[in-house]
Amino acid sequence: GQQVMQIPQYQHVQEGEDFTTYCNSSTTLSNIQWYKQRPGGHPVFLIQLVKSGEVKKQKRLTFQFGEAKKNSSLHITATQTTDVGTYFCAGTVGGGSYIPTFGRGTSLIVHP
Amino acid sequence: DAGVIQSPRHEVTEMGQEVTLRCKPISGHNSLFWYRQTMMRGLELLIYFNNNVPIDDSGMPEDRFSAKMPNASFSTLKIQPSEPRDSAVYFCASNLWGKSYEQYFGPGTRLTVT
Repeated sequence: GQQVMQIPQYQHVQEGEDFTTYCNSSTTLSNIQWYKQRPGGHPVFLIQLVKSGEVKKQKRLTFQFGEAKKNSSLHITATQTTDVGTYFCAGTVGGGSYIPTFGRGTSLIVHP
Repeated sequence: DAGVIQSPRHEVTEMGQEVTLRCKPISGHNSLFWYRQTMMRGLELLIYFNNNVPIDDSGMPEDRFSAKMPNASFSTLKIQPSEPRDSAVYFCASNLWGKSYEQYFGPGTRLTVT
């Protein structure tokens, strides 16, 4: 079955440093979504990427979808303590399926 | 507009007891998903419904787990009998199938089975 691998599992950074999490799928995706889960909270949708090579930005967050639509990344510039949480990617293979496969997530810990 | 509502938020029960988790999806959404989250296994899709009909329950771990969606505004996930390894956070999510891939998650139910 489809697998979505996400690395790293954990990342400790000092406030102000950059952070990147990577997502790789075993199959070509029709789209990929990113979610953020704060400690003790629930996953919250951040963004969806659909096109090959697509790049989207949300303030300090930059999302990329690979040319082959099998990988994606989330980069945060100048992390803040409010960025703490677990970031999940979720890939959908399409073909009428709206069921995403979630990666294991990357937990970001920001030290002030 | 209210988001996905789940109850209870916390449940502590003894092994062997029946547990029922409840979910009210966002009004107008036609798909509902039940997930289980643990440190060991991450976020697992247990079952999902489309227009109140169960479509895929291959993620349900055992026959002890069952889910129903009697109408568009209510779903339950039942565990009978519960076991300590069922301890996890259970999330319900909903979306508008065919229109958006974005899933809206509820706050979750933290289940502890002793």
